[in-house]
Amino acid sequence: GENVEQHPSTLSVQEGDSAVIKCTYSDSASNYFPWYKQELGKRPQLIIDIRSNVGEKKDQRIAVTLNKTAKHFSLHITETQPEDSAVYFCAASQGDYKLSFGAGTTVTVRA
Amino acid sequence: DADVTQTPRNRITKTGKRIMLECSQTKGHDRMYWYRQDPGLGLRLIYYSFDVKDINKGEISDGYSVSRQAQAKFSLSLESAIPNQTALYFCATSDPGPRQGASYNEQFFGPGTRLTVL
Repeated sequence: GENVEQHPSTLSVQEGDSAVIKCTYSDSASNYFPWYKQELGKRPQLIIDIRSNVGEKKDQRIAVTLNKTAKHFSLHITETQPEDSAVYFCAASQGDYKLSFGAGTTVTVRA
Repeated sequence: DADVTQTPRNRITKTGKRIMLECSQTKGHDRMYWYRQDPGLGLRLIYYSFDVKDINKGEISDGYSVSRQAQAKFSLSLESAIPNQTALYFCATSDPGPRQGASYNEQFFGPGTRLTVL
Protein backbone atom coordinates (compact mmCIF):
# COMPACT_ATOMS: atom_id res chain seq x y z
CA GLY A 1 0.00 0.00 0.00
CA GLU A 2 0.85 3.67 -0.08
CA ASN A 3 3.23 5.08 2.55
CA VAL A 4 3.34 8.83 3.11
CA GLU A 5 6.08 10.43 5.18
CA GLN A 6 5.75 14.01 6.39
CA HIS A 7 8.41 16.40 7.72
CA PRO A 8 8.92 18.19 9.98
CA SER A 9 6.67 16.94 12.76
CA THR A 10 6.71 20.38 14.41
CA LEU A 11 7.41 23.81 12.94
CA SER A 12 7.62 27.14 14.74
CA VAL A 13 7.70 30.31 12.65
CA GLN A 14 7.63 34.02 13.33
CA GLU A 15 4.47 35.77 12.22
CA GLY A 16 4.94 37.03 8.69
CA ASP A 17 7.53 34.42 7.78
CA SER A 18 6.96 31.47 5.45
CA ALA A 19 6.35 27.86 6.43
CA VAL A 20 7.13 24.81 4.30
CA ILE A 21 5.99 21.23 4.96
CA LYS A 22 7.28 18.36 2.85
CA CYS A 23 5.82 14.94 2.11
CA THR A 24 7.06 11.93 0.20
CA TYR A 25 4.99 9.05 -1.11
CA SER A 26 5.90 5.54 -2.16
CA ASP A 27 3.33 4.49 -4.77
CA SER A 28 4.08 5.94 -8.18
CA ALA A 29 0.45 5.26 -9.16
CA SER A 30 -0.81 7.88 -6.68
CA ASN A 31 -2.35 10.81 -8.51
CA TYR A 32 -4.23 12.91 -5.95
CA PHE A 33 -2.56 14.89 -3.15
CA PRO A 34 -4.73 16.87 -0.72
CA TRP A 35 -3.70 18.87 2.33
CA TYR A 36 -5.91 19.08 5.41
CA LYS A 37 -5.72 21.55 8.29
CA GLN A 38 -6.88 20.62 11.78
CA GLU A 39 -7.19 23.37 14.36
CA LEU A 40 -7.02 22.39 18.02
CA GLY A 41 -10.10 20.39 19.00
CA LYS A 42 -11.62 20.71 15.53
CA ARG A 43 -12.20 18.42 12.58
CA PRO A 44 -9.75 18.24 9.65
CA GLN A 45 -10.67 20.47 6.71
CA LEU A 46 -9.32 20.49 3.17
CA ILE A 47 -7.27 23.58 2.38
CA ILE A 48 -5.80 22.74 -1.01
CA ASP A 49 -5.27 19.76 -3.26
CA ILE A 50 -3.37 18.94 -6.43
CA ARG A 51 -3.59 16.27 -9.09
CA SER A 52 -0.67 14.60 -10.76
CA ASN A 53 -1.20 16.40 -14.06
CA VAL A 54 -0.40 19.73 -12.36
CA GLY A 55 2.97 20.79 -10.95
CA GLU A 56 1.87 23.69 -8.77
CA LYS A 57 -1.32 25.21 -7.44
CA LYS A 58 -1.85 28.41 -5.45
CA ASP A 59 -4.71 29.77 -3.38
CA GLN A 60 -3.98 33.14 -1.82
CA ARG A 61 -1.23 32.57 0.78
CA ILE A 62 -0.97 28.81 0.35
CA ALA A 63 0.57 26.84 -2.49
CA VAL A 64 1.35 23.21 -3.17
CA THR A 65 4.07 21.86 -5.45
CA LEU A 66 4.39 18.33 -6.79
CA ASN A 67 7.45 16.54 -8.13
CA LYS A 68 6.23 13.24 -9.59
CA THR A 69 9.71 12.07 -10.53
CA ALA A 70 10.98 12.40 -6.99
CA LYS A 71 7.62 11.44 -5.49
CA HIS A 72 7.37 14.37 -3.18
CA PHE A 73 5.04 17.29 -2.68
CA SER A 74 5.16 20.34 -0.45
CA LEU A 75 2.87 22.89 1.18
CA HIS A 76 4.01 26.49 1.29
CA ILE A 77 2.36 29.09 3.51
CA THR A 78 3.50 32.68 3.01
CA GLU A 79 3.04 35.66 5.34
CA THR A 80 2.01 33.40 8.20
CA GLN A 81 -0.63 34.63 10.64
CA PRO A 82 -1.69 33.40 14.10
CA GLU A 83 -4.72 31.67 12.58
CA ASP A 84 -2.35 29.47 10.57
CA SER A 85 -1.38 27.69 13.82
CA ALA A 86 -2.76 24.15 13.45
CA VAL A 87 -1.83 20.59 12.54
CA TYR A 88 -1.42 20.05 8.80
CA PHE A 89 -1.77 16.65 7.15
CA CYS A 90 -0.70 15.68 3.69
CA ALA A 91 -2.27 12.70 1.96
CA ALA A 92 -1.95 10.71 -1.23
CA SER A 93 -4.20 8.35 -3.13
CA GLN A 94 -4.61 6.56 -6.41
CA GLY A 95 -7.98 7.72 -7.49
CA ASP A 96 -9.82 9.95 -5.13
CA TYR A 97 -11.07 8.14 -2.07
CA LYS A 98 -8.63 5.81 -0.32
CA LEU A 99 -6.42 8.46 1.23
CA SER A 100 -3.16 7.61 2.99
CA PHE A 101 -2.24 10.40 5.40
CA GLY A 102 1.09 11.60 6.69
CA ALA A 103 1.66 11.78 10.45
CA GLY A 104 1.01 15.52 10.57
CA THR A 105 2.96 18.72 11.20
CA THR A 106 2.14 20.97 14.14
CA VAL A 107 2.67 24.56 13.03
CA THR A 108 2.97 27.30 15.63
CA VAL A 109 3.04 30.92 14.51
CA ARG A 110 4.78 33.15 17.07
CA ALA A 111 3.52 36.70 17.42
CA ASP B 1 -26.21 23.87 6.69
CA ALA B 2 -25.54 20.36 5.45
CA ASP B 3 -23.25 18.62 7.89
CA VAL B 4 -21.69 15.42 9.18
CA THR B 5 -22.53 14.52 12.78
CA GLN B 6 -21.21 11.84 15.12
CA THR B 7 -22.57 10.33 18.32
CA PRO B 8 -21.41 10.01 21.00
CA ARG B 9 -18.77 12.74 21.13
CA ASN B 10 -17.00 11.14 24.05
CA ARG B 11 -17.17 7.60 25.38
CA ILE B 12 -15.35 5.72 28.09
CA THR B 13 -15.77 1.96 28.10
CA LYS B 14 -14.12 -1.14 29.53
CA THR B 15 -12.08 -3.86 27.87
CA GLY B 16 -14.30 -6.51 26.29
CA LYS B 17 -17.38 -4.33 25.89
CA ARG B 18 -19.15 -3.91 22.57
CA ILE B 19 -19.49 -0.33 21.44
CA MET B 20 -21.04 1.40 18.45
CA LEU B 21 -20.13 4.80 17.05
CA GLU B 22 -22.67 6.42 14.79
CA CYS B 23 -22.32 8.83 11.91
CA SER B 24 -25.05 10.73 10.08
CA GLN B 25 -24.82 13.19 7.21
CA THR B 26 -27.16 15.61 5.51
CA LYS B 27 -24.81 16.38 2.62
CA GLY B 28 -26.41 13.86 0.32
CA HIS B 29 -23.05 12.21 -0.35
CA ASP B 30 -22.79 8.58 -1.41
CA ARG B 31 -19.32 7.89 -0.02
CA MET B 32 -18.66 7.53 3.69
CA TYR B 33 -15.51 6.69 5.63
CA TRP B 34 -14.29 5.87 9.14
CA TYR B 35 -10.83 6.94 10.29
CA ARG B 36 -8.97 6.78 13.56
CA GLN B 37 -6.49 9.42 14.65
CA ASP B 38 -3.61 8.67 16.98
CA PRO B 39 -0.87 11.13 18.02
CA GLY B 40 2.10 10.84 15.70
CA LEU B 41 0.29 8.50 13.30
CA GLY B 42 -2.05 10.81 11.47
CA LEU B 43 -5.39 9.55 10.19
CA ARG B 44 -5.78 5.91 9.21
CA LEU B 45 -8.66 4.53 7.18
CA ILE B 46 -10.68 1.78 8.88
CA TYR B 47 -13.56 1.18 6.44
CA TYR B 48 -15.19 2.96 3.55
CA SER B 49 -18.48 2.63 1.72
CA PHE B 50 -19.56 3.81 -1.72
CA ASP B 51 -23.23 3.03 -1.14
CA VAL B 52 -25.48 0.91 1.05
CA LYS B 53 -24.43 -2.31 -0.64
CA ASP B 54 -20.74 -1.52 -1.06
CA ILE B 55 -18.47 -1.72 2.00
CA ASN B 56 -14.71 -2.05 1.86
CA LYS B 57 -11.90 -2.62 4.33
CA GLY B 58 -9.35 0.09 4.80
CA GLU B 59 -5.84 0.04 6.18
CA ILE B 60 -6.68 -1.10 9.73
CA SER B 61 -10.01 -2.96 9.76
CA ASP B 62 -9.09 -5.76 12.20
CA GLY B 63 -11.17 -5.52 15.37
CA TYR B 64 -13.80 -3.29 13.73
CA SER B 65 -16.99 -3.81 11.76
CA VAL B 66 -19.33 -1.38 10.03
CA SER B 67 -22.93 -1.10 8.93
CA ARG B 68 -24.34 1.23 6.27
CA GLN B 69 -27.97 1.43 7.32
CA ALA B 70 -28.92 4.07 4.75
CA GLN B 71 -27.24 6.52 2.44
CA ALA B 72 -27.00 8.97 5.32
CA LYS B 73 -25.90 6.62 8.13
CA PHE B 74 -22.69 4.69 8.65
CA SER B 75 -21.93 3.00 11.98
CA LEU B 76 -18.64 1.66 13.33
CA SER B 77 -18.65 -1.17 15.87
CA LEU B 78 -15.98 -2.52 18.15
CA GLU B 79 -17.15 -6.03 19.00
CA SER B 80 -14.82 -6.46 21.98
CA ALA B 81 -13.00 -3.24 22.79
CA ILE B 82 -9.33 -3.32 23.81
CA PRO B 83 -7.17 -0.51 25.24
CA ASN B 84 -5.17 0.03 22.04
CA GLN B 85 -8.41 1.06 20.34
CA THR B 86 -8.35 4.20 22.47
CA ALA B 87 -8.26 6.97 19.86
CA LEU B 88 -10.13 9.82 18.22
CA TYR B 89 -12.50 8.47 15.56
CA PHE B 90 -13.67 10.50 12.59
CA CYS B 91 -16.39 9.85 10.09
CA ALA B 92 -16.11 11.54 6.70
CA THR B 93 -18.15 11.83 3.51
CA SER B 94 -17.43 12.73 -0.08
CA ASP B 95 -19.24 13.10 -3.37
CA PRO B 96 -17.55 11.56 -6.43
CA GLY B 97 -19.04 14.01 -8.88
CA PRO B 98 -17.53 17.40 -9.75
CA ARG B 99 -19.35 20.15 -7.90
CA GLN B 100 -19.29 23.83 -8.62
CA GLY B 101 -17.20 25.77 -6.17
CA ALA B 102 -15.76 22.72 -4.40
CA SER B 103 -12.67 20.59 -4.74
CA TYR B 104 -13.26 17.37 -6.55
CA ASN B 105 -13.71 14.60 -4.00
CA GLU B 106 -13.09 16.72 -0.93
CA GLN B 107 -13.72 14.65 2.18
CA PHE B 108 -15.87 16.36 4.82
CA PHE B 109 -15.19 15.23 8.36
CA GLY B 110 -17.49 14.95 11.33
CA PRO B 111 -16.56 16.45 14.70
CA GLY B 112 -15.00 13.23 15.98
CA THR B 113 -15.66 10.77 18.80
CA ARG B 114 -13.07 10.45 21.54
CA LEU B 115 -13.07 6.83 22.70
CA THR B 116 -11.24 5.61 25.78
CA VAL B 117 -11.02 1.88 26.50
CA LEU B 118 -9.95 1.09 30.07
